[in-house]
Amino acid sequence: NAGVMQNPRHLVRRRGQEARLRCSPMKGHSHVYWYRQLPEEGLKFMVYLQKENIIDESGMPKERFSAEFPKEGPSILRIQQVVRGDSAAYFCASSPGQLTTNYGYTFGSGTRLTVV
Amino acid sequence: QQQVKQSPQSLIVQKGGISIINCAYENTAFDYFPWYQQFPGKGPALLIAIRPDVSEKKEGRFTISFNKSAKQFSLHIMDSQPGDSATYFCAAQAYGQNFVFGPGTRLSVLP
Repeated sequence: NAGVMQNPRHLVRRRGQEARLRCSPMKGHSHVYWYRQLPEEGLKFMVYLQKENIIDESGMPKERFSAEFPKEGPSILRIQQVVRGDSAAYFCASSPGQLTTNYGYTFGSGTRLTVV
Repeated sequence: QQQVKQSPQSLIVQKGGISIINCAYENTAFDYFPWYQQFPGKGPALLIAIRPDVSEKKEGRFTISFNKSAKQFSLHIMDSQPGDSATYFCAAQAYGQNFVFGPGTRLSVLP
C-alpha cells in the first residue's frame, strides 16, 4: 500500500500561470480531501470530493481554484492565474468512506507551490 | 464556533522532559479529537486520538487528556526525545463533518 501519493512534491510557477496538483488516494479509498497550509499556519480545509462528485467546497476560494476527482485517475487541484499569495503547501488526504468519527485522515506528503 | 485554539505556538523541552500542548474548542458537536505529528517536508501523520466518552488515552509515551466540561484537551509527551521534534496539530470533528485543525505547535526537544 503506497499510501496517499501527491505530485509534484515541489512546483514553481510564475505569476499568472496555472498550477496543477495531483493526488492519488490510498488503495480502496474513494474520498479525497484537499487542505492548504500557509507558512507557520495550520491546515485549512479546501474541498472534499468523491469520485466524480464535489461534496463540500466551502473552503475553496471563489475564483481561480477548482478541483475534480474523475472516475479514472487522480484527483486534481487546479489553480489558475496564480498569485504570490497562493504559495503554500497543499495536502491531500483520503479516507475509505463517508466522513465518520472512527478514524483520522491519511495525508500525502504534500505539494509545495512557490509562485515567483 | 468551528475554531480550535492551540497553545503554545512553540515549545522547547529538554530531553527526558514532559511536553504539554493544549487545545480548546467551542463546538459541542465535536466528538472526535485526533492529534497529528508533522515533520518538516512531510504530511501530517495521525498520532493518537480520543473520543469524549473517556478522559484519558495513552499510547506509549503519548497521552491525551480530555476535559469535556471545560471543552479542552491536551497532548502529553513523556520522556521527550529529540526525535519528537516536530509540529503537532490538534483537530476536532463532528460526525459527518470535516476536521477542524488547530494552528499547530512547533516542538523542539534539546539533546
